[in-house]
Amino acid sequence: SQKIEQNSEALNIQEGKTATLTCNYTNYSPAYLQWYRQDPGRGPVFLLLIRENEKEKRKERLKVTFDTTLKQSLFHITASQPADSATYLCASSSASKIIFGSGTRLSIRP
Amino acid sequence: GAGVSQSPSNKVTEKGKDVELRCDPISGHTALYWYRQSLGQGLEFLIYFQGNSAPDKSGLPSDRFSAERTGGSVSTLTIQRTQQEDSAVYLCASSLGLAVKYNEQFFGPGTRLTVL
Repeated sequence: SQKIEQNSEALNIQEGKTATLTCNYTNYSPAYLQWYRQDPGRGPVFLLLIRENEKEKRKERLKVTFDTTLKQSLFHITASQPADSATYLCASSSASKIIFGSGTRLSIRP
Repeated sequence: GAGVSQSPSNKVTEKGKDVELRCDPISGHTALYWYRQSLGQGLEFLIYFQGNSAPDKSGLPSDRFSAERTGGSVSTLTIQRTQQEDSAVYLCASSLGLAVKYNEQFFGPGTRLTVL
């Protein structure tokens, strides 16, 4: 079955460093991948979308890559801040379904 | 403008009772989605509507779950004969364009359902 997997359940890094989160997909070729941020007790908030024919997308301190050979998307937050602490989810669609990864809980320590 | 709203925000019910969850999407959004999120887990896709039509209902966990959308706007998710394993946060989202096609989803705050 089609799957999206986020390998790290949790990631802790020092403020100011770059956080890198991984999203792998199996058994299908998504046309795009989306990244969302979710804070406790709230719904996810859209951050970025990258299409299969795009290698990289940037928005302020965020960067997303899409490698169709590795079947992987990487999500980077540069110059990380404690306010970036949240759970980050990747998602895509397959046929008539939306598939979300289980999320990576990112903690930025001061 | 107003975002996606969901009601109630919290619902506590007894096992075996029926519950109805409501979602008001952003005005003009043609696609609407329902998800379930158990504590500490990712989002489980349940169903999406394009207009009033749901092309695929196979994501609904059992035949106790049903959903409808009327007038291309409000949607209700109904769970009949609730079970304790139905306890979760039910999230609704909407998007401007075609569902499952590149479109940013806007999520509501969710309904936290607790089945005793």
